[in-house]
Amino acid sequence: DAMVIQNPRYQVTQFGKPVTLSCSQTLNHNVMYWYQQKSSQAPKLLFHYYDKDFNNEADTPDNFQSRRPNTSFCFLDIRSPGLGDAAMYLCATSIGPIYEQYFGPGTRLTVT
Amino acid sequence: AQSVTQLDSQVPVFEEAPVELRCNYSSSVSVYLFWYVQYPNQGLQLLLKYLSGSTLVKGINGFEAEFNKSQTSFHLRKPSVHISDTAEYFCAVKIRAGNNRKLIWGLGTSLAVNP
Repeated sequence: DAMVIQNPRYQVTQFGKPVTLSCSQTLNHNVMYWYQQKSSQAPKLLFHYYDKDFNNEADTPDNFQSRRPNTSFCFLDIRSPGLGDAAMYLCATSIGPIYEQYFGPGTRLTVT
Repeated sequence: AQSVTQLDSQVPVFEEAPVELRCNYSSSVSVYLFWYVQYPNQGLQLLLKYLSGSTLVKGINGFEAEFNKSQTSFHLRKPSVHISDTAEYFCAVKIRAGNNRKLIWGLGTSLAVNP
């Protein structure tokens, strides 16, 4: 089945220690998104790629970076995680800007 | 600026009862409308969408929603809920104009189905 895959599902990192979260898709969608979701809140868009075109949200901290080496993969790098970065990180894809988004299962990040 | 309001943060309901989760949006332009469901510790799953055409939209798991342009609403309904419908439900909109790719999310409604 075509899907969006996120690894790992649970990630524990230490305060200030860089961490990378990964997302892959078999849907061959053009757009890939990264969201941060804190408990009992709506997802908050961090950035997205439309093909290789990177779009950063204005309020996304510089601590968060992303890479999309090819159509299938997208990575979220957190350079120096703080306690406030503990959250669920969701990857999503869509075939184009106006269409629905398909979400992966998420990676729950814990910062100790 | 566009916004999405989910009028109820929590909705408790008994099994087999009908339920309506309310969603209103504010936008001066036409929008696309979506409902997503999120089970605990999981990603979001698309329930249904309105892009154009019939204002009554049927989705998965027996849910449906009706787009009401005059009231700028997109309420989600199910005639008979199950325990397994217990989850968080999010309404989201995307404006039609231009290359905007961003979804505007409501704050979510927590549906609790009790036996």
